[in-house]
Amino acid sequence: DAGITQSPRHKVTETGTPVTLRCHQTENHRYMYWYRQDPGHGLRLIHYSYGVKDTDKGEVSDGYSVSRSKTEDFLLTLESATSSQTSVYFCAISDGHYTEAFFGQGTRLTVV
Amino acid sequence: KNEVEQSPQNLTAQEGEFITINCSYSVGISALHWLQQHPGGGIVSLFMLSSGKKKHGRLIATINIQEKHSSLHITASHPRDSAVYICAVRKETSGSRLTFGEGTQLTVNP
Repeated sequence: DAGITQSPRHKVTETGTPVTLRCHQTENHRYMYWYRQDPGHGLRLIHYSYGVKDTDKGEVSDGYSVSRSKTEDFLLTLESATSSQTSVYFCAISDGHYTEAFFGQGTRLTVV
Repeated sequence: KNEVEQSPQNLTAQEGEFITINCSYSVGISALHWLQQHPGGGIVSLFMLSSGKKKHGRLIATINIQEKHSSLHITASHPRDSAVYICAVRKETSGSRLTFGEGTQLTVNP
């Protein structure tokens, strides 16, 4: 199994509070991604990174920011959590355009 | 209309049956992925293919680039195959990013 770890695995937070999710990889893969999974929508890309300090927006990036200061870590921050951000968040990694993607176990976030 | 459509959305089968899940896409792609997600679990990559056919155990994935269609087959299905199966494509214009179908919920009864 690819070495990819998400933390925390579960979190309940209050509306308006900041939240940071962490994705850690031990594979030295170049690309890292944050997705959210919601019923009726499948997986949707929030942000992705193509190298240290190189990030770009995905299709549902509003309300989220990311940082990648080291190859192995990709952080997703909700600056001020809202109930619409209640979701399951997945991190994924890949080593290039023509390689497999590997996914973390997911983080279930509930904003109350 | 979604760029990646899967059918059926839900599928119930009896143990031992041959199962087919379909994926159609409307964009040019460089690769197609089939993924598996067990309840409450993470997502596992089953196949990545850009042409032809791949086989792994009881799982077979095929792709027809001209018809923009892929199928995932499960032979001799077993209750442990119960999961959500997700089709995802790597679009020619999107670099390494994936675009996902909504998934097919498969339930295999003993």
